[in-house]
Amino acid sequence: DGGITQSPKYLFRKEGQNVTLSCEQNLNHDAMYWYRQDPGQGLRLIYYSQIVNDFQKGDIAEGYSVSREKKESFPLTVTSAQKNPTAFYLCASLRPTDYGYTFGSGTRLTVV
Amino acid sequence: LAKTTQPISMDSYEGQEVNITCSHNNIATNDYITWYQQFPSQGPRFIIQGYKTKVTNEVASLFIPADRKSSTLSLPRVSLSDTAVYYCLVGDPVNTNAGKSTFGDGTTLTVKP
Repeated sequence: DGGITQSPKYLFRKEGQNVTLSCEQNLNHDAMYWYRQDPGQGLRLIYYSQIVNDFQKGDIAEGYSVSREKKESFPLTVTSAQKNPTAFYLCASLRPTDYGYTFGSGTRLTVV
Repeated sequence: LAKTTQPISMDSYEGQEVNITCSHNNIATNDYITWYQQFPSQGPRFIIQGYKTKVTNEVASLFIPADRKSSTLSLPRVSLSDTAVYYCLVGDPVNTNAGKSTFGDGTTLTVKP
């Protein structure tokens, strides 16, 4: 079955460390997105990529970085510059048929 | 960009029909309305999408009045497993592609036995 795979499901980071969250898709979708969700809140856009080798900042890009070297992969790095990284991170792609998002199952990042 | 307003929470009982309304007063001509369902610790799941009038699929119906300034997601005969957060998104393909269809805080639906 096609879909979005995020790994790991849970991630613990020490303060001052960079960590990378993986997002892989086999849907052949061009556009991919990273969202952050805090408890009881909606999703906020971190970065998005509409095509390989191109990406744009979303609403809360500070302290994060991304790359899009392959169509299938859109990893997110949470850097030490992100002061409050504990959150639930969701990766998504956009279906060109109806412009609906397909989401992965998320990565829960906790700073210890 | 259209801003959406939904109730923060709703309660229902098993077997009842649930209607969740979303207001989007400044919806644009090319905007579609899309609803997502999110369970705890999972990514949102696409439920239904519409442009005008009524759309129905195997899990829900979407009612959109002629002025399109609101929309109502209707869930027939809910069960405990329908307890989730429901998000209404409004946007056109260009803005959605650019990540500008923003998720609000959603409506938390709690279905009771």
